[in-house]
Amino acid sequence: GQQLNQSPQSMFIQEGEDVSMNCTSSSIFNTWLWYKQDPGEGPVLLIALYKAGELTSNGRLTAQFGITRKDSFLNISASIPSDVGIYFCAGQQYSGAGSYQLTFGKGTKLSVIP
Amino acid sequence: ETGVTQTPRHLVMGMTNKKSLKCEQHLGHNAMYWYKQSAKKPLELMFVYSLEERVENNSVPSRFSPECPNSSHLFLHLHTLQPEDSALYLCASSQDQWREIYNEQFFGPGTRLTVL
Repeated sequence: GQQLNQSPQSMFIQEGEDVSMNCTSSSIFNTWLWYKQDPGEGPVLLIALYKAGELTSNGRLTAQFGITRKDSFLNISASIPSDVGIYFCAGQQYSGAGSYQLTFGKGTKLSVIP
Repeated sequence: ETGVTQTPRHLVMGMTNKKSLKCEQHLGHNAMYWYKQSAKKPLELMFVYSLEERVENNSVPSRFSPECPNSSHLFLHLHTLQPEDSALYLCASSQDQWREIYNEQFFGPGTRLTVL
């Protein structure tokens, strides 16, 4: 099946620092989504990207849909303790069975040191 | 209740037990999904329902049996599971899955399943 390579797997940063993580694939995706998962909870959608080259912001979060449609990055500026969690990228593409499905990366675990 | 809810939040069962997981979405969506989340693995799609009809079954063992009685409710019936089935089971819904855009999936909090 399709695979997304998400990096880094984990990162420890100081409060106030900026964070960057990315996903790459050998396949083309129509949509890129970024989710955050807190411990004991389900993933929550942060940003959705629909067009190649699109740059979208949501507060301190900025994400971009790569021009080749095979990659995306997520930046978090001025990190705060509540940014702790696991961040997942997900690519959406036509499944061939009449539906669109998501393929997820393995996640980036973010720890913020106060 | 808002969003996507799942019950129970935690479940411990023996290999010979039969149990069911329940998911309910309050978003007016037409598509619902079951995912399995294991440690250090990407989320694995198990089943997809659109307008109460199953449209995907990603080679899931028959000991997992989904049921979608209406567009708001989704069940996962469990029977004679194995210890390796222990994982977080997530339910999600989306507006519909036949369109390319504005079809983001919204997740429930999950059921943490432990099989002894």
